[in-house]
Amino acid sequence: RKEVEQDPGPFNVPEGATVAFNCTYSNSASQSFFWYRQDCRKEPKLLMSVYSSGNEDGRFTAQLNRASQYISLLIRDSKLSDSATYLCVVPPRGSARQLTFGSGTQLTVLP
Amino acid sequence: GAVVSQHPSWVICKSGTSVKIECRSLDFQATTMFWYRQFPKQSLMLMATSNEGSKATYEQGVEKDKFLINHASLTLSTLTVTSAHPEDSSFYICSGGTDLGEQFFGPGTRLTVL
Repeated sequence: RKEVEQDPGPFNVPEGATVAFNCTYSNSASQSFFWYRQDCRKEPKLLMSVYSSGNEDGRFTAQLNRASQYISLLIRDSKLSDSATYLCVVPPRGSARQLTFGSGTQLTVLP
Repeated sequence: GAVVSQHPSWVICKSGTSVKIECRSLDFQATTMFWYRQFPKQSLMLMATSNEGSKATYEQGVEKDKFLINHASLTLSTLTVTSAHPEDSSFYICSGGTDLGEQFFGPGTRLTVL
């Protein structure tokens, strides 16, 4: 089993839609989780950090299910500018260690 | 979030030359910096972990003599691609790590080797 697995998509959704991505991880000892977004030919940018059960920031909600070892990212009221690749990231021990990246989920929001 | 700069943002060089890429954490001290490489339509692949004042730890399959990493201070790490070849053409991204496990990425360097 890969350390981090994501549905690669692509997800094509209309503007205003709600879309959710899942990410499963294999290391049950992981304590912190991150969602990054990466635009084409750009560097990844931190979108959300998840340290407990979840986190919410505006239209974005991240949830963590430790029992099933997955984290999800929910985007409500999708905007055209949300089009990007979303990367699920799991540090092994959560303290400035190397990250394990999922392959990313590609999202395209259509007008 | 914290800011990481990378220089140059793009470089084109001839085969056989060496290219140096700088990575700086501008508003925080990064005891650990990471170097990644990303080929088109692929995910980031970690090349090496760089700790200030010590030798870098390279991932399996990454040649340490080809990709020289120096982490001279808490805010600066450099990656030198020695004797670059066309297959080294890629997007090289550095990041600085915090104690919480967050990483903040530089804008990347697009290397094209002719």
